[in-house]
Amino acid sequence: QSALTQPRSVSGSPGQSVTISCTGTSSDVGGYNYVSWYQQHPGKAPKLMIYDVSKRPSGVPDRFSGSKSGNTASLTISGLQAEDEADYYCCSYAGSYTNVVFGGGTKLTVL
Amino acid sequence: QVQLVQSGAEVKKPGASVKVSCKASGYTFTSYYMHWVRQAPGQGLEWMGIINPSGGSTSYAQKFQGRVTMTRDTSTSTVYMELSSLRSEDTAVYYCARGWRGDSIAARPLYFDYWGQGTLVTVSS
Repeated sequence: QSALTQPRSVSGSPGQSVTISCTGTSSDVGGYNYVSWYQQHPGKAPKLMIYDVSKRPSGVPDRFSGSKSGNTASLTISGLQAEDEADYYCCSYAGSYTNVVFGGGTKLTVL
Repeated sequence: QVQLVQSGAEVKKPGASVKVSCKASGYTFTSYYMHWVRQAPGQGLEWMGIINPSGGSTSYAQKFQGRVTMTRDTSTSTVYMELSSLRSEDTAVYYCARGWRGDSIAARPLYFDYWGQGTLVTVSS
């Protein structure tokens, strides 16, 4: 199973919006609505930000939103804040009931 | 509160094996699958596999088939991940992460809602 494709880096100024893409295939992203997104700050464990393509777990600000079109999922962060600077990883179901695959990760820089 | 506490850092020689533990507390151990994810220095997350603590069934990523073994001990609410034939490329932080089903109890446990603190495994001669 190949990793999902994400841009290496994105950036934005405080208050702006940024979108991170995650491209897979019809066997993963495009075939199921089981896409999730994780935020990871340096030296910390990842944190679940989005599940089921567009749902937010309790406690995640509504500035974070997810969507999907075809084989590409997207994470949009609106009203950027300094604390949003982190690495973001997408993740998709990849078959066999429980197997998943991650994207390569995107470093978000808040200018 | 839910806690996943992993064993400490390890240094191993190439060709050796390593066994990392993950002790769960704060929830019913057998009600949630457990995933293992690793992250090489400066690199991204890589899914290794999953174990169902209830019956012990496992599923591994193709890349690790034949080299990884995941087990559990229900008496101590602990899962284990053993990786054999270690090579330098296996140097990474290894995480256990609880599998969460989202809104439906019938859904697949594909999301990671709680993570261990990570265990650094260094493979060096």
